[in-house]
Amino acid sequence: GPKVLQIPSHQIIDMGQMVTLNCDPVSNHLYFYWYKQILGQQMEFLVNFYNGKVMEKSKLFKDQFSVERPDGSYFTLKIQPTALEDSAVYFCASSLVLGDTQYFGPGTRLLVL
Amino acid sequence: GDSVTQTEGQVTVSESKSLIINCTYSTTSIAYPNLFWYVRYPGEGLQLLLKVITAGQKGSSRGFEATYNKETTSFHLQKASVQESDSAVYYCALGEGYVGDNSKLIWGLGTSLVVNP
Repeated sequence: GPKVLQIPSHQIIDMGQMVTLNCDPVSNHLYFYWYKQILGQQMEFLVNFYNGKVMEKSKLFKDQFSVERPDGSYFTLKIQPTALEDSAVYFCASSLVLGDTQYFGPGTRLLVL
Repeated sequence: GDSVTQTEGQVTVSESKSLIINCTYSTTSIAYPNLFWYVRYPGEGLQLLLKVITAGQKGSSRGFEATYNKETTSFHLQKASVQESDSAVYYCALGEGYVGDNSKLIWGLGTSLVVNP
């Protein structure tokens, strides 16, 4: 089936530093999503994105978070500055249209020290 | 807010036996949300197993079935005869979002299925 890639698979970073998580969505998909899963907890929605804009975000999507997809390249999640509670696995997803099946990447495991 | 509750932890079943993983949902934002089962096989990413968008309907895939029951707000996953290759983590989810259905997914905790040969 369609593949979503995420780079890197693991990232260790010191608290206060900036991190960028990269997502390579399915090539013809137009809608993009980030989810966050803290160890032992449910995966939770962070944000969705279409046509260069955030459509919807949750309360977990703090001011330190930002997303973009410059010129149709990677869909990125940037955290600046990072905090200890940002340690989690971040999953990227994409869908062709809103409401369609979301295809997920394997996740990026972020550890903030 | 909306929530999904599913069988917690690990379920261990012997090969060729039947399986049921319970999933119930609660929603305040949408009367009849779309319901999903996703699966993560060892070493792989999350993938859609089945989805049902109409209350009362049944979805099926790879021998698994789930029926959307709006009376009991349930979407239990069942299989009559499991195989070792079904060992994976299964996630129940519902679709909601104010910009449109399924613009975000609400997830259960996941159930780890171990099938013994």
